[in-house]
Amino acid sequence: EVQLVESGGGLVQPGGSLRLSCAASGFMLSDHEMNWVRQAPGKGLEWVAYISSGASTTYYADSVKGRFTISRDNAKNSLYLQMNSLRVEDTAVYHCARIRWFDPWGQGTLVTVSS
Amino acid sequence: QPVLTQSPSASASLGASVKLTCTLSSGHSDYTVAWHQKQPEKGPRHLMKINSDGSHTKGDGVPDRFSGSRSGAERYLTISSLQSEDEADYYCQTWGAGVGVFGGGTKLTVL
Repeated sequence: EVQLVESGGGLVQPGGSLRLSCAASGFMLSDHEMNWVRQAPGKGLEWVAYISSGASTTYYADSVKGRFTISRDNAKNSLYLQMNSLRVEDTAVYHCARIRWFDPWGQGTLVTVSS
Repeated sequence: QPVLTQSPSASASLGASVKLTCTLSSGHSDYTVAWHQKQPEKGPRHLMKINSDGSHTKGDGVPDRFSGSRSGAERYLTISSLQSEDEADYYCQTWGAGVGVFGGGTKLTVL
């Protein structure tokens, strides 16, 4: 079964850092582009970051550019999101998703930025 | 970059059909669009991808009750024989130049 499982969320103060992980199973992560998408409380879905299968290309939403870094370890079948200089408005459930058409999605991990 | 426009809400009766619409902004009418379902307390689910020729490819396990189509800049998600578990938020999605784009979502209520 193809599955994505996120971890690493939690409560962090404004200005702090957090690293999210996404473990893939049922398929070879190395064969696919990957993304992070978030949903703030009561809001819609927002694409956050993209990484190509070989990690040579990355894209970021303007709202996180310069603060977040997407990376992958294909040997560990894992995707990561390093989040620095966190803001209250980064509070959201963060999902990893496979390919440009987000198929499938993970369940998500909650990040709360609050003092 | 493309902009996707969705109606904020829709409703239909149990057992009926409903057609949700996603409109691409001017100059982007041939873009491929995907539909995703977001139920409360669950991760999102990829439903289908609608190609520029109007054909669609459904995700694994998506029931036959879900279908997609296109007319010009509009992309449709039709759900027939509505069930209570279809009550959810539905999002369309596409790509610009290095940017993922979501519509604002449509909240579907099953009466």
